[in-house]
Amino acid sequence: QKEVEQDPGPLSVPEGAIVSLNCTYSNSAFQYFMWYRQYSRKGPELLMYTYSSGNKEDGRFTAQVDKSSKYISLFIRDSQPSDSATYLCAMSALAGGATNKLIFGTGTLLAVQP
Amino acid sequence: EPEVTQTPSHQVTQMGQEVILRCVPISNHLYFYWYRQILGQKVEFLVSFYNNEISEKSEIFDDQFSVERPDGSNFTLKIRSTKLEDSAMYFCASSARPGGNEKLFFGSGTQLSVL
Repeated sequence: QKEVEQDPGPLSVPEGAIVSLNCTYSNSAFQYFMWYRQYSRKGPELLMYTYSSGNKEDGRFTAQVDKSSKYISLFIRDSQPSDSATYLCAMSALAGGATNKLIFGTGTLLAVQP
Repeated sequence: EPEVTQTPSHQVTQMGQEVILRCVPISNHLYFYWYRQILGQKVEFLVSFYNNEISEKSEIFDDQFSVERPDGSNFTLKIRSTKLEDSAMYFCASSARPGGNEKLFFGSGTQLSVL
């Protein structure tokens, strides 16, 4: 089983739709869960992070973590064409020392049609 | 917002040649990282670096790879003898502090093509 699994898409939705993006993982040591957005030819940009289980909301974006199911989600409300990008989930374990090793999913390509 | 700068944006090299990828992290950051992304695959951790030492490295980061902070602003990744399978987008990242909840800032990447 892969450490982090993510549906690669592509996912195409009309403007204004609610988008649901998901990842599953196998390593129960993961404590920090992040969503990155990556535009073409750019580096990943952090959108949301959550520690342990729960929900977090930031504007049109909501991140959910269910550690019991090893499942994380990102919801985008009122999607806009500018949201078109690849969305990467990423996770890290609670580690000591000077490290921030992230394990990424493969990314989901999202296209929001005007 | 401050940003991580990487040069060059594209690098083409012959198999067996040495390449150096350069990064200028955000100025007050102390923790530095290299990740890579082979076309169509996931972003993979290579190495983390703090206080002039490697903190952690992945299995990918073998003896052909090295990192250096030659001065107060640059952070470099050297591949001594490139192989075809080293072709990938290489991302530099930096953070102010360690820890899983600390925001990593990524550069735009260097696309390395090994022929």
